Amino acid sequence: EAGVAQSPRYKIIEKRQSVAFWCNPISGHATLYWYQQILGQGPKLLIQFQNNGVVDDSQLPKDRFSAERLKGVDSTLKIQPAKLEDSAVYLCASSLALGSSYNSPLHFGNGTRLTVT
Amino acid sequence: EDKVVQSPLSLVVHEGDTVTLNCSYEVTNFRSLLWYKQEKKAPTFLFMLTSSGIEKKSGRLSSILDKKELFSILNITATQTGDSAVYLCYTGTASKLTFGTGTRLQVTL
Repeated sequence: EAGVAQSPRYKIIEKRQSVAFWCNPISGHATLYWYQQILGQGPKLLIQFQNNGVVDDSQLPKDRFSAERLKGVDSTLKIQPAKLEDSAVYLCASSLALGSSYNSPLHFGNGTRLTVT
Repeated sequence: EDKVVQSPLSLVVHEGDTVTLNCSYEVTNFRSLLWYKQEKKAPTFLFMLTSSGIEKKSGRLSSILDKKELFSILNITATQTGDSAVYLCYTGTASKLTFGTGTRLQVTL
């Protein structure tokens, strides 16, 4: 089966610019996650979707980050305006789980490495 | 607040050594613990553990969960340079996943 697709692979922007990341999950996976992974740390959940609805966005900095999954398939994550501390790898993951996040392993994309200068 | 702690944070071993990585947790309504290997790309799934005391095994890797003492270990025997990676664990409840910070393993010749 095709894996989780993410683009771009790398992005370098200046602070205060905007950037968008795209994710296409595995076909049939209802749950989609966006994680931020800063170098040397574990992934931190930004937002979780179940189909096209938001399940958890409690750690999403909503003043600058936004995400959508309009048709319940692809998703985009946007940062506007970017700050230096947003430099990280942004991982998208999907899973089959519908309603129970614990019993279905996450499948990760290769991530987008963002550098903010 | 749910917490997952991995130890050691980093480890350097020689090829052929055996290593044990630890993942301890304090979470509400624990359901599962999963191990992943992360090289330069996407984390890849290794094991999912839900029952205490039952060892999961795949080649030179094995893992076991202790739900009484709230931890899991990941063992790698006869390590190879290809085992060099960050090993992540996370716990799952019905509504939330909590990641540890990872253990960076480097296997040298």
